Amino acid sequence: AQSVTQLGSHVSVSEGALVLLRCNYSSSVPPYLFWYVQYPNQGLQLLLKYTTGATLVKGINGFEAEFKKSETSFHLTKPSAHMSDAAEYFCAVRKNTGFQKLVFGTGTRLLVSP
Amino acid sequence: GAVVSQHPSRVICKSGTSVKIECRSLDFQATTMFWYRQFPKKSLMLMATSNEGSKATYEQGVEKDKFLINHASLTLSTLTVTSAHPEDSSFYICSASKLAGGAPYNEQFFGPGTRLTVL
Repeated sequence: AQSVTQLGSHVSVSEGALVLLRCNYSSSVPPYLFWYVQYPNQGLQLLLKYTTGATLVKGINGFEAEFKKSETSFHLTKPSAHMSDAAEYFCAVRKNTGFQKLVFGTGTRLLVSP
Repeated sequence: GAVVSQHPSRVICKSGTSVKIECRSLDFQATTMFWYRQFPKKSLMLMATSNEGSKATYEQGVEKDKFLINHASLTLSTLTVTSAHPEDSSFYICSASKLAGGAPYNEQFFGPGTRLTVL
């Protein structure tokens, strides 16, 4: 079965600082991996995804993530935080075959201070 | 493209009443729709998956008779919380995908969510 662990329920950074949100996964088969962002009282928006191919994937709003199979990780980074990046971020995993059920991590709230 | 809407965005109801939440794909046909429940400061928990014209598949622990899901058309799915109680208060989010469930990959597009409060 697939599972996702997000380390740190809250991450605080200053505006302009590096953003690093951690995600480790467990999967018995090669996974598809996703990062979603959720703003208050809104649904989820896809930031980026890894399916196959290049392990460094770039997403919207300057975010990127690197799939590291040896570390079973898919950490999300952004070189320079912006105030508008403050939100809840969810990592998710699903099997790359068969049914498309997503399994979400518990989320990390990113706080950005001036 | 790929916009999903939910209605209502917020609903408050009395204990014992039923509430219907609609999920619509506005600019695409959704062969599969998903319903999630999100508790405060918690992750999204998949409740059920519905394919157009078929009965929904519920996740373990989700009461089928309490959370009725209908996916009568390719653009509309509804979740009805029957005989709602305060413990049903939560944020309900739907998502929709364009291709059938067996496809190797297709993106889920999420609605904005519905905040249900049961008094």
